[in-house]
Amino acid sequence: GESVGLHLPTLSVQEGDNSIINCAYSNSASDYFIWYKQESGKGPQFIIDIRSNMDKRQGQRVTVLLNKTVKHLSLQIAATQPGDSAVYFCAENTGANSKLTFGKGITLSVRP
Amino acid sequence: DSGVTQTPKHLITATGQRVTLRCSPRSGDLSVYWYQQSLDQGLQFLIQYYNGEERAKGNILERFSAQQFPDLHSELNLSSLELGDSALYFCASSALGRLGEKLFFGSGTQLSVL
Repeated sequence: GESVGLHLPTLSVQEGDNSIINCAYSNSASDYFIWYKQESGKGPQFIIDIRSNMDKRQGQRVTVLLNKTVKHLSLQIAATQPGDSAVYFCAENTGANSKLTFGKGITLSVRP
Repeated sequence: DSGVTQTPKHLITATGQRVTLRCSPRSGDLSVYWYQQSLDQGLQFLIQYYNGEERAKGNILERFSAQQFPDLHSELNLSSLELGDSALYFCASSALGRLGEKLFFGSGTQLSVL
């Protein structure tokens, strides 16, 4: 997979377009998934979550889709805004406690 | 503002030294987590505490230790520091440390080992 930082994959979108950020998770036993957004100089911020018994969950301007068959998670952002520019992480939770395992992260860059 | 407070925001020290990072969880949260974020490794889970007791351990080096105090704040101690320990260290908290709980992250401590 890609590394955070120098080798972080980047998605560039036009302001107003929809964004789709994809994530492949590793553990088929994972029960809970979260998307986090990290802006420069800040800690990860919760966006949306989904449990393994669901395929889709919608929030305000965001939708998360879960495909357990291929272990794939996606985050859709409608009408992307400049404020959406950040690094996005998917995280999975396996087991009895809430320790999260994070993916490598994807940079979303919004063009004005 | 997540409600999780980390101090200091920045720390510059030399190899071989020891530092302490401090975290105050959100009001009411009993579980605290420590994560390390570096350019090449992403966000790596170090350790979790629940109500003063260690609950889960991740990729935490033996040179590192942590504890959670009766008032629920937590400290991460890093000793015999090496250049490779330079990273962002995040603390997060959740209510009960159970599956399906959201983690709320602090703004992190940027550690630079020179």
